[in-house]
Amino acid sequence: GAVVSQHPSWVICKSGTSVKIECRSLDFQATTMFWYRQFPKQSLMLMATSNEGSKATYEQGVEKDKFLINHASLTLSTLTVTSAHPEDSSFYICSARGGQGDTQYFGPGTRLTVL
Amino acid sequence: KQEVTQIPAALSVPEGENLVLNCSFTDSAIYNLQWFRQDPGKGLTSLLLIQSSQREQTSGRLNASLDKSSGRSTLYIAASQPGDSATYLCAVDSGYSTLTFGKGTMLLVSP
Repeated sequence: GAVVSQHPSWVICKSGTSVKIECRSLDFQATTMFWYRQFPKQSLMLMATSNEGSKATYEQGVEKDKFLINHASLTLSTLTVTSAHPEDSSFYICSARGGQGDTQYFGPGTRLTVL
Repeated sequence: KQEVTQIPAALSVPEGENLVLNCSFTDSAIYNLQWFRQDPGKGLTSLLLIQSSQREQTSGRLNASLDKSSGRSTLYIAASQPGDSATYLCAVDSGYSTLTFGKGTMLLVSP
């Protein structure tokens, strides 16, 4: 089946620094990638949807200037958490799909801890 | 706005039991519904996907049913094993290819 990878799998950073998380579709072209965030014991919440070559669409309440998303190619999307703070500590999961209506394939997630 | 609720929040059973996990959603106009498994600190593994036109899907010891009109889905696990211990998430695709997740059911199967 389709494989989606994320890098890094975990990261610890100091407050105020920026962190970049990569999401790659390894064996298919992902026209759309999704970024989710999951706090402990909470649901996965969609943060933003990105289509290759265009600006991401952010969900209500998600700051686009803080969570920068770049979907520059059909196999790579990046999420940059700028000026990270402890409250940004969370589990970030990406997913990718090839075409409209296709199944979403999920990455393994990235655990971010901001000290 | 679609809302997804999963009951129970946690479940502990001895090995070998058959069990049912429940998922309900508020807007019955869905495209499909998926059940996922999530191990602690890990990503999601898709277990079963049911299209809106389907009533159930089966994979091994897992069977998922969908009653779209009543806004309900169940995941049935037969002959549970300790390796089934994980959090099970239900997610609804309301037709825009964005998924709405429930909070999950944390399952513990003891030997």
